[in-house]
Amino acid sequence: DTGVSQDPRHKITKRGQNVTFRCDPISEHNRLYWYRQTLGQGPEFLTYFQNEAQLEKSRLLSDRFSAERPKGSFSTLEIQRTEQGDSAMYLCASSLNLMGGGTEAFFGQGTRLTVV
Amino acid sequence: QKEVEQNSGPLSVPEGAIASLNCTYSDRGSQSFFWYRQYSGKSPELIMSIYSNGDKEDGRFTAQLNKASQYVSLLIRDSQPSDSATYLCAAVNNAGGTSYGKLTFGQGTILTVHP
Repeated sequence: DTGVSQDPRHKITKRGQNVTFRCDPISEHNRLYWYRQTLGQGPEFLTYFQNEAQLEKSRLLSDRFSAERPKGSFSTLEIQRTEQGDSAMYLCASSLNLMGGGTEAFFGQGTRLTVV
Repeated sequence: QKEVEQNSGPLSVPEGAIASLNCTYSDRGSQSFFWYRQYSGKSPELIMSIYSNGDKEDGRFTAQLNKASQYVSLLIRDSQPSDSATYLCAAVNNAGGTSYGKLTFGQGTILTVHP
């Protein structure tokens, strides 16, 4: 399977704990995105990497959130001191930057976080 | 006003009918548009992209774009029960050539195809 892979698929954590999610993009894709989706809503942009550089962060990404993409390969999203409001599906997507072309992004299976 | 708006539905159509899903956007810098299908509990799956005014057909799916009216639609012909899902419209602002491909989504339209 050469699609976007996310791990874990589900995570239940107690409020106040730290969690880390991993995303492995499609291998030739240089762009990687994190989104968050709550029930009944469309995904909301969190952050974007081009290769290893984090080029944009949403205001939704509070200082409890940090994302990395070392060496421009896989990415991690860490949430510190989790709150119940962090419960959501965390989605990773990747795309290939095409000169003059489109920017079709493909999503991983998502990580469903439940904070209790 | 949300940047991308969709009627949340649910939209119910009989099997074999044409399902019509609509989306409007407010950001005139948006130039790339995408339709994703999302089954309950699953992640979004890309089904169509459209970049130019007019129609784009792929199998049973036709995407339509009207930039003057800031309107995007998706038609599903010969609807099947397996098409029952939430359909998400997304836009990318390519203005100035500095787009990072960031998707702005609508809230999605729930489609139910009944036998």
